[in-house]
Amino acid sequence: AQKVTQAQTEISVVEKEDVTLDCVYETRDTTYYLFWYKQPPSGELVFLIRRNSFDEQNEISGRYSWNFQKSTSSFNFTITASQVVDSAVYFCALSEREGNNRLAFGKGNQVVVIP
Amino acid sequence: DTGVSQDPRHKITKRGQNVTFRCDPISEHNRLYWYRQTLGQGPEFLTYFQNEAQLEKSRLLSDRFSAERPKGSFSTLEIQRTEQGDSAMYLCASSPGDYRSNEQFFGPGTRLTVL
Repeated sequence: AQKVTQAQTEISVVEKEDVTLDCVYETRDTTYYLFWYKQPPSGELVFLIRRNSFDEQNEISGRYSWNFQKSTSSFNFTITASQVVDSAVYFCALSEREGNNRLAFGKGNQVVVIP
Repeated sequence: DTGVSQDPRHKITKRGQNVTFRCDPISEHNRLYWYRQTLGQGPEFLTYFQNEAQLEKSRLLSDRFSAERPKGSFSTLEIQRTEQGDSAMYLCASSPGDYRSNEQFFGPGTRLTVL
């Protein structure tokens, strides 16, 4: 069974500070995919990043970066130099190749960026 | 706009009534998913279609729920004899179905309120 855990907390940061969101997952599949989605107040889920289970290389994409560690089943996400527009709920999600790629979401992290 | 669309965006109904929601996926996406999101929680998987075939249903999908994708394009989700516990955001997502690019693209959702 696939499971994603995010410490459901509201995180407040002052603009331009960095914010890191933690995600821990459980899966029995050997091939799986990890995602981060953003849900702004408008409600629509916006895809941010994806990582495959066979690729642990950490990358930076603009102000987003992520740290994927299979050894600890963690997929943490960092927003660098936060902006007010980053205020949203962020969801970590997992899909398994054997599970029709359905997504299992964590409970989300509410990020509030204070100007 | 070629994104996922959902209709209606909001639906208010009285307990016991039937409601139907529509989802139009991104064209040529053969995978379509329905999720339900309640307040303060992450989305939860309901059902999955590959083309016109409904291949998986969650235990969350009680007998009062039915989904179709008759021609492998748009999909409908019907809830019969609505209950107050059905109040939630219903999200539709589509995916090209290629494991190399399996991210799901979400629509804006239909917010259901059952009085």
